[in-house]
Amino acid sequence: ETGVTQTPRHLVMGMTNKKSLKCEQHLGHNAMYWYKQSAKKPLELMFVYNFKEQTENNSVPSRFSPECPNSSHLFLHLHTLQPEDSALYLCASSRLGQVNQPQHFGDGTRLSIL
Amino acid sequence: TQLLEQSPQFLSIQEGENLTVYCNSSSVFSSLQWYRQEPGEGPVLLVTVVTGGEVKKLKRLTFQFGDARKDSSLHITAAQPGDTGLYLCAGAGGSGNTGKLIFGQGTTLQVKP
Repeated sequence: ETGVTQTPRHLVMGMTNKKSLKCEQHLGHNAMYWYKQSAKKPLELMFVYNFKEQTENNSVPSRFSPECPNSSHLFLHLHTLQPEDSALYLCASSRLGQVNQPQHFGDGTRLSIL
Repeated sequence: TQLLEQSPQFLSIQEGENLTVYCNSSSVFSSLQWYRQEPGEGPVLLVTVVTGGEVKKLKRLTFQFGDARKDSSLHITAAQPGDTGLYLCAGAGGSGNTGKLIFGQGTTLQVKP
């Protein structure tokens, strides 16, 4: 139990579907992150939220739309995805304001685009 | 752009052997974190090294941060099948409190009984 819960664990969707990934952290952290993990590639940071405000968008296509209603919840809304978007999507949280804090990861959502 | 090069990318060894994983960069990091990820799970922090030249031990795992804080290594002594997994290094840039980490591409370790 890492304190970061992601749902669903697996998702299969067609390219025209709309779905959302959910992340919830129970650690009292104030920063949350979305990462994409593909085979043989480094973890790709997608979005960063600090105190509910988006502070980083790493040139992510607009078919990925994040939402952070509060410091404990983070969503990733998906629409008209492409086959190359199939990957493991990881959510993480950390405590800002203290130096060198680690990130705590959820177990990810395995996304497959048909 | 800060990059972290991890090597080797894949390692398959027999139980009881020793191994070292390297994490190198041309950039200076305020700290270097090592994570381990098992299939079906997210990465879990093993250790954070902060000071240049620092050495930390976690049972059979020894972590070292380079003097210039640009590189790090993970040495495992007498590897066990339970050590199997994906090992990731991650560097924290700037002052270290922005939360942003740069990850290496990972080393997949397989320890055969």
